[in-house]
Amino acid sequence: AQKITQTQPGMFVQEKEAVTLDCTYDTSDQSYGLFWYKQPSSGEMIFLIYQGSYDEQNATEGRYSLNFQKARKSANLVISASQLGDSAMYFCAMRENDMKTSYDKVIFGPGTSLSVIP
Amino acid sequence: EAQVTQNPRYLITVTGKKLTVTCSQNMNHEYMSWYRQDPGLGLRQIYYSMNVEVTDKGDVPEGYKVSRKEKRNFPLILESPSPNQTSLYFCASSLVDSGTEAFFGQGTRLTVV
Repeated sequence: AQKITQTQPGMFVQEKEAVTLDCTYDTSDQSYGLFWYKQPSSGEMIFLIYQGSYDEQNATEGRYSLNFQKARKSANLVISASQLGDSAMYFCAMRENDMKTSYDKVIFGPGTSLSVIP
Repeated sequence: EAQVTQNPRYLITVTGKKLTVTCSQNMNHEYMSWYRQDPGLGLRQIYYSMNVEVTDKGDVPEGYKVSRKEKRNFPLILESPSPNQTSLYFCASSLVDSGTEAFFGQGTRLTVV
């Protein structure tokens, strides 16, 4: 069963506008981490932002913020003031960690393709 | 410069011919992973390693092997490649702390004919 869902295969946003990319996850672990990565057309994977399951504040990194709603198991990425260089694939990922069993896997969602329109 | 280096970047091979994709990191990271990326599926974890001589299966380990004899290196081995292993492969490393981001290699585009 897919544990990370990104329901928007493709999104368009006007330059300078804000955009929200959706991510929902499924886990029974209490301790986990949520990540967003950007993959431009050149192919490299770029880390954007991290949210820990015990963090009470939403994470922010420059123009990126993570809207973390734990009860709803959602971790949406908000990009403010979109720029042309933001056009890329965006992946939500979850790292589940269980120290008792040494289980420590990372699961990625299918990604959302964002296109910024001038 | 902190980096994860994969080689080769591109590889075309024939079914059944054993191959190894190398991965090396210079950040003294404990945790290393291999992923394959396929359209519409995102990245799927093949194997991961939490330290030297400690490896475990990810979600799609069939047809792959790994080893972790040294902290910096984590090669991916395809003993008998098949066309369904045609994909884009990424190696990544991070600290063992689950709250730290992964650093990715540049990717290896593998085609099995």
